[in-house]
Amino acid sequence: ETGVTQSPTHLIKTRGQQVTLRCSSQSGHNTVSWYQQALGQGPQFIFQYYREEENGRGNFPPRFSGLQFPNYSSELNVNALELDDSALYLCASSLQGGLTYEQYFGPGTRLTVT
Amino acid sequence: AQSVTQLGSHVSVSEGALVLLRCNYSSSVPPYLFWYVQYPNQGLQLLLKYTSAATLVKGINGFEAEFKKSETSFHLTKPSAHMSDAAEYFCAVTPGYSSASKIIFGSGTRLSIRP
Repeated sequence: ETGVTQSPTHLIKTRGQQVTLRCSSQSGHNTVSWYQQALGQGPQFIFQYYREEENGRGNFPPRFSGLQFPNYSSELNVNALELDDSALYLCASSLQGGLTYEQYFGPGTRLTVT
Repeated sequence: AQSVTQLGSHVSVSEGALVLLRCNYSSSVPPYLFWYVQYPNQGLQLLLKYTSAATLVKGINGFEAEFKKSETSFHLTKPSAHMSDAAEYFCAVTPGYSSASKIIFGSGTRLSIRP
């Protein structure tokens, strides 16, 4: 069974640029959620994708957008980067309609905006 | 609305001592509760979960937690701390009516172990 993987591991971008982060979900999972974890804080829910559509969104502006592909992998796109976007971005996969409720997290992508 | 509050941003115990990390939750619907652990520069690993079955939940690495509805608490304990337990611990909640809802995390408690 393959776990959740994310790429890249680290990324440095300049304010105003755009970035794309990638996530491959765990085998058998059909739902992907993205979280932002600022330094010293708990993860904050950005949005969730199920069947290639957004299935819930947290308190993040529209410049945060995502995609889910037929193989359930996902992308997180952030436009017009701001310094406060510097954080660890975590992807989590889960099975909607399944009997368990936990989400399985990837190792994260560390984004630094300068 | 749901939320969790973790009491104490930093807890330090001696190796071999009892570990107690406190978590209180707020939920308007029956909650499902989790404890996750995060080691430095890594993602989150599920320690244990409460999903309305037994109120005393046993997890990995010797940790356990007890769901107390009357106190709205879900404290994490381990009888004897090990140096490898040093990490950040997050309590989290999700509504118990959907298997794929967002998870709401607390702000975390950093556990340090003294030799």
